[in-house]
Amino acid sequence: DTEVTQTPKHLVMGMTNKKSLKCEQHMGHRAMYWYKQKAKKPPELMFVYSYEKLSINESVPSRFSPECPNSSLLNLHLHALQPEDSALYLCASSQKDLGTGNTIYFGEGSWLTVV
Amino acid sequence: RKEVEQDPGPFNVPEGATVAFNCTYSNSASQSFFWYRQDCRKEPKLLMSVYSSGNEDGRFTAQLNRASQYISLLIRDSKLSDSATYLCVCKAAGNKLTFGGGTRVLVKP
Repeated sequence: DTEVTQTPKHLVMGMTNKKSLKCEQHMGHRAMYWYKQKAKKPPELMFVYSYEKLSINESVPSRFSPECPNSSLLNLHLHALQPEDSALYLCASSQKDLGTGNTIYFGEGSWLTVV
Repeated sequence: RKEVEQDPGPFNVPEGATVAFNCTYSNSASQSFFWYRQDCRKEPKLLMSVYSSGNEDGRFTAQLNRASQYISLLIRDSKLSDSATYLCVCKAAGNKLTFGGGTRVLVKP
């Protein structure tokens, strides 16, 4: 079982709604990530937090707003999404920065449908 | 050209057979390499890291060829449960992994 927990597992939201995806890890990891994955495609990096600070934003539209309240929690706030934003949203964590041999561990993901 | 390229497959493999597939990467500064496995509608899970000297984990063997910039994965004695998409992952500088598009493997009885 994954040690990265994501909620909710499924979310359906309208284009005018505001919702949030939540992620929690208790492995003492200090880097956390949001990825987006569409069907039959690899995961695409959205954001990286390192020591609770945003270190990478892959030019993600502002309708996606990440937040890292502490070293164990990562949120993704959603507002005014489009149907094409429907996807699997994966949270991941890793030990500090990705040094040699370190890699990331994914949560089970949140399936998002925008209607 | 994509940074990390994989044959999408599917590789149709008889149960008990051996299958191998490669992944090529374009960034010569890539430092670390991994294979992940992803089942349908599930999250990617780390299968194994890939070390310079090659490494084995049970029925799985990974190799790295830095000169030709590719890594490989070999699965021996394939099981039905090995059916999945195998993602090649490379890391260059920074806190960022680059994923290949995945190779789909179907093991059939």
